[in-house]
Amino acid sequence: SQELEQSPQSLIVQEGKNLTINCTSSKTLYGLYWYKQKYGEGLIFLMMLQKGGEEKSHEKITAKLDEKKQQSSLHITASQPSHAGIYLCGAGTAIQGAQKLVFGQGTRLTINP
Amino acid sequence: DAGITQSPRYKITETGRQVTLMCHQTWSHSYMFWYRQDLGHGLRLIYYSAAADITDKGEVPDGYVVSRSKTENFPLTLESATRSQTSVYFCASSVDRGLAYEQYFGPGTRLTVT
Repeated sequence: SQELEQSPQSLIVQEGKNLTINCTSSKTLYGLYWYKQKYGEGLIFLMMLQKGGEEKSHEKITAKLDEKKQQSSLHITASQPSHAGIYLCGAGTAIQGAQKLVFGQGTRLTINP
Repeated sequence: DAGITQSPRYKITETGRQVTLMCHQTWSHSYMFWYRQDLGHGLRLIYYSAAADITDKGEVPDGYVVSRSKTENFPLTLESATRSQTSVYFCASSVDRGLAYEQYFGPGTRLTVT
């Protein structure tokens, strides 16, 4: 079965600093999803990557999928308190014509003012 | 408002009791999912449903029962709650656009079994 490992498990950065979260898969990724979870709340979809070498950006968050499609990174530029939360990567695996998601354990991000 | 809702948001129950967690979505999405989130395990899939009356097991189905008589509802029942089922439960839904789409998550139900 597919496993996803995220690093680091937790991260504390000063406001305004850049940071990177990594997600490594045990198998080739055919759909990689990044979600953000605020403490005590549900998951919010951020981005989906499918193609090797693909890169997507939304505001100050950039996600990349490597050429071999086994590793993804999430980069935040000039971090703000609103970026605090838990970031989860998910890999899609086919079930009955759709996908179920296997998730990494999450990275807890704290932004210090 | 359109979206995916879960009820109750918080529940405390005793060991051995039956508990049902509700999930309702207004998008008419075909696929619905139940996950549990635990420290050290991340999110794990309990059950999923491809359409009304079609359900299947995920990674950790033991002790849970689901049904889907209507497209918009996907209740999860703990037949005889155990302390190990203390967790945060998330319901999600997605459209059947093929193999690439995102899942939309509800706000979660925090369940404590004493």
